[in-house]
Amino acid sequence: AQSVSQHNHHVILSEAASLELGCNYSYGGTVNLFWYVQYPGQHLQLLLKYFSGDPLVKGIKGFEAEFIKSKFSFNLRKPSVQWSDTAEYFCAVKIRTGGFKTIFGAGTRLFVKA
Amino acid sequence: DTEVTQTPKHLVMGMTNKKSLKCEQHMGHRAMYWYKQKAKKPPELMFVYSYEKLSINESVPSRFSPECPNSSLLNLHLHALQPEDSALYLCASSQGTSGGGSTDTQYFGPGTRLTVL
Repeated sequence: AQSVSQHNHHVILSEAASLELGCNYSYGGTVNLFWYVQYPGQHLQLLLKYFSGDPLVKGIKGFEAEFIKSKFSFNLRKPSVQWSDTAEYFCAVKIRTGGFKTIFGAGTRLFVKA
Repeated sequence: DTEVTQTPKHLVMGMTNKKSLKCEQHMGHRAMYWYKQKAKKPPELMFVYSYEKLSINESVPSRFSPECPNSSLLNLHLHALQPEDSALYLCASSQGTSGGGSTDTQYFGPGTRLTVL
């Protein structure tokens, strides 16, 4: 069955620390990949997406992610986090199964200490 | 404008009630989605509408009944729900271009927080 795994459920960092959140998926076909962020009390917002081309994609607020096809991974990175990055981060994979379906990972809660 | 609106924001209902959740977008998107999100869990897909036709139903119980009256509106009719159906119900929309929308990006609404007593 198709699935999306996010390895870290909770991450605590100090401001200015570097961030890397892992995401792996299990699906052998073509995928589109997304990272969404959910700030406390707010709705899901798109951070970045990968459809094709350059596997290193840049998103909003200084985030980037790299698609490594051989590893079925799409890890999210930010060189220097800020307190305002405190949020829950969801990796999502869109696959074709009949129609198109998006599967979300379990999420990673990031807390950045000021 | 990338806004998806949902009403109501909060809903409390008894197990014998009938209520409806509403979702609206004016981005010209032709695909609309309902997700269910339990606390500390990821969103789980319930239904997908493409060009106002139901294209995916993720084996959702019949007490949830979706309706897409036009390309801008998506409803979710609720009847005889159970307490375990309490969750945040999210609506999303995407362009839904021909070919199945493989490169679609979904835009999410703020959700309706549903409590079933």
